[in-house]
Amino acid sequence: DTGVSQDPRHKITKRGQNVTFRCDPISEHNRLYWYRQTLGQGPEFLTYFQNEAQLEKSRLLSDRFSAERPKGSFSTLEIQRTEQGDSAMYLCASSLGRKNMNTEAFFGQGTRLTVV
Amino acid sequence: QKEVEQDPGPLSVPEGAIVSLNCTYSNSAFQYFMWYRQYSRKGPELLMYTYSSGNKEDGRFTAQVDKSSKYISLFIRDSQPSDSATYLCAMSPSGSARQLTFGSGTQLTVLP
Repeated sequence: DTGVSQDPRHKITKRGQNVTFRCDPISEHNRLYWYRQTLGQGPEFLTYFQNEAQLEKSRLLSDRFSAERPKGSFSTLEIQRTEQGDSAMYLCASSLGRKNMNTEAFFGQGTRLTVV
Repeated sequence: QKEVEQDPGPLSVPEGAIVSLNCTYSNSAFQYFMWYRQYSRKGPELLMYTYSSGNKEDGRFTAQVDKSSKYISLFIRDSQPSDSATYLCAMSPSGSARQLTFGSGTQLTVLP
């Protein structure tokens, strides 16, 4: 499978615990994005990497959230001290971009987080 | 008021019907317009990607953009039960996915 891969697909955690999600983008894609989608809503942008550099963060990304993309390959999204409001689908997307050129983004299957 | 408004449905049609899905938006900076299909518990799948105003056709799907009215549409001809999904419109000023603004999605069911 050469699409965007996310792991785990589902995660149930107790409030206050830390969780970490992984995203493996399409291999030649240099841009990687994290989105959050709550029930009945469209995805909302969280953060964006170009290669290993985190270039943009949404104000939705509180200080309990941290994302990394070491070596510009896979990415991780960590949520510390989870709250019930963090329950959502976390989507990763990747695209190939160069200066003044953007291509469409392809999404992974998402990680569904439930905080109990 | 949200930047992108989309009727959530649900919309239910018989197999073979023509389906019309629509979004309105308020930000005149949007230049790139997309439609994604999302099956239950799956990630969004890109269906159509268009720039500025006009029509684009791909098989049974036609996307229309009317920037003067700030209105976009997706038409599905000869709808099939496999088209049953949530359809999300999305738009961006630059074409970059970091600036995508999504609608809330329209849930479509095509009845056999």
